[in-house]
This record gives sequence, C-alpha cells and structure tokens, in this order.
Amino acid sequence: AQRVTQPEKLLSVFKGAPVELKCNYSYSGSPELFWYVQYSRQRLQLLLRHISRESIKGFTADLNKGETSFHLKKPFAQEEDSAMYYCALSGGNQGGKLIFGQGTELSVKP
Amino acid sequence: GAVVSQHPSRVICKSGTSVKIECRSLDFQATTMFWYRQFPKQSLMLMATSNEGSKATYEQGVEKDKFLINHASLTLSTLTVTSAHPEDSSFYICSAPDQGHEQFFGPGTRLTVL
Repeated sequence: AQRVTQPEKLLSVFKGAPVELKCNYSYSGSPELFWYVQYSRQRLQLLLRHISRESIKGFTADLNKGETSFHLKKPFAQEEDSAMYYCALSGGNQGGKLIFGQGTELSVKP
Repeated sequence: GAVVSQHPSRVICKSGTSVKIECRSLDFQATTMFWYRQFPKQSLMLMATSNEGSKATYEQGVEKDKFLINHASLTLSTLTVTSAHPEDSSFYICSAPDQGHEQFFGPGTRLTVL
C-alpha cells in the first residue's frame, strides 16, 4: 500500500537551530517524493522535489531508498520558516496524483 | 508560476442541499485536475482525479454519487457535493499540473453544512 508517514505533528525549535522534519514512505516501485509548505492563510506550494536535488530557502531533502525516507533539513531555522510542512509521494504512472503525509507544524521561536 | 483559483472561497449551506465548487486553471490548460479534502490541522486526502472529457476516477471510499465531478473544459473542473450533510463540512482543495507536471494548488473552499 502507498503511504507517507510524518511522525511529528509539531516541531518547535529556536531561531538558528537546525531542523529536521521526518518523512518515511511505503511504495512498491520508484516513487517521486515532494515537500510542500503551507504558510498561515496561504495555499499549499511546492518546496522541493527529490528529482531536482536543489535547495530551496535553505532546505534540502535526500531520498534514502534503503530507509524509505525523505527527511527535510535546514541547518539554521528562521522565524519565517514557521508553517505546515507536508511530505508527499507520487507514483510514476499515476498521472500526478499525490499521497500526502499527515503534516508537521514547524514553529520557530525567536 | 501557474495559478489555480477556486470559487467560492467559503460557503454555508443547509443540510440536504447541493453545493458546487469550481476549480480553474487561470493561465494554463489542465487535462487532469485533482480534488482533495482537508480536515483542520490534518493531511490532504485525495478524493478523485478529474479528467477532461471523461469520467472522474474516485479513490476508494469516496462516493461518486455524492461528490459529482465534471471537467467540462481544459481550464475548469467542478465538484458538486450533493445532499450535503454536516459531516461533509470540510476544506476542499483542488490542484492541477502544469506542462512541467508541477502541481499547483487552489486556495481551497471552506464548506460548512448546517
């Protein structure tokens, strides 16, 4: 079964601290993994995708097929990073539909 | 980037009535659109895939007769919640992929059924 798991509902850190939002997935095949972010009162937007291997707003994520993980990391959190973060999976032949994790609320305190 | 709009942004209706929600891709064409449901502080649950010119594909457990989807053109998909009940109250979000297959999300529609 396809599943995305984000074990932490809430992650609270101080400004300047490192951040790691965990994401594990279950999929029998080669999925495409994404991180989406939803700032307060805004729509969901793409943060990064594993195939592009780029860093957006200082965030990076590496796909670990052995551990079936796609954790999101940032070395120094900023207050403006406070938001809901969703890990999502798309199967290669499923027309782009996304399966989302439960989401992690990141709160960066001053 | 591409823009997806939804209308209305919020709607309140009486139990037993039907409500239509529109999802539009404003500056690109989308043969496929997706409808999600989101509960407060919870994940997005995929409800169905809307296909232009053909029937929608529903996820397991989603009643197709209750959640009617019509993809009438390359820029418009509608979701109609028929005979709405209070338990249908939720946040409904649509998305559409652009030519590069990146998903763009609408702002969502808050449905409250009294």
